[in-house]
Amino acid sequence: DGGITQSPKYLFRKEGQNVTLSCEQNLNHDAMYWYRQDPGQGLRLIYYSQIVNDFQKGDIAEGYSVSREKKESFPLTVTSAQKNPTAFYLCATSDRGLDEQYFGPGTRLTVT
Amino acid sequence: GENVEQHPSTLSVQEGDSAVIKCTYSDSASNYFPWYKQELGKRPQLIIDIRSNVGEKKDQRIAVTLNKTAKHFSLHITETQPEDSAVYFCAANFRGTSYGKLTFGQGTILTVHP
Repeated sequence: DGGITQSPKYLFRKEGQNVTLSCEQNLNHDAMYWYRQDPGQGLRLIYYSQIVNDFQKGDIAEGYSVSREKKESFPLTVTSAQKNPTAFYLCATSDRGLDEQYFGPGTRLTVT
Repeated sequence: GENVEQHPSTLSVQEGDSAVIKCTYSDSASNYFPWYKQELGKRPQLIIDIRSNVGEKKDQRIAVTLNKTAKHFSLHITETQPEDSAVYFCAANFRGTSYGKLTFGQGTILTVHP
């Protein structure tokens, strides 16, 4: 877990602004994931990437975008099209061929 | 579709009692079932997992059981302690999609009273 960093820990934005959340890992894991967590709900998958320059939509991709230009980085952009962006965002990684996922410390985004 | 249901949503026990959380999954091809513990404001931590080729796995005070026929699995915590208080999530992989993709249950808030 220590090999996954997310910054910043808290992020505040005004409605209508795009914002990019950072996720970096030094575990040399191939796969990276973005989840959204709301109070009283489980983790919902936004996007995931198994390899550089490739990514797939998860269950709630609308209003979000990602890129995977480097193996160690998987930034998430929350666009103004996302209706309810205020949430706790978690990044996770897993190694090739393995199911275990490990989470970063998360970014709490508040949009007002 | 891919679905994991988790019960109960809240669980309150006295210190020293046992706690059991149950999950059901929809895809009979799922073969990996992890459990995560999340303390307030922190990241989910993997505490135990089980694969479909075994029926039970133990690690000190925690254990997980799997019933493939019924498509459900459970987390058992014995001799609970106040530091066990947290939100617990179950998950299952879905083999019809790419490896590593997990679907999570809604979570159980466990409170252990001293």
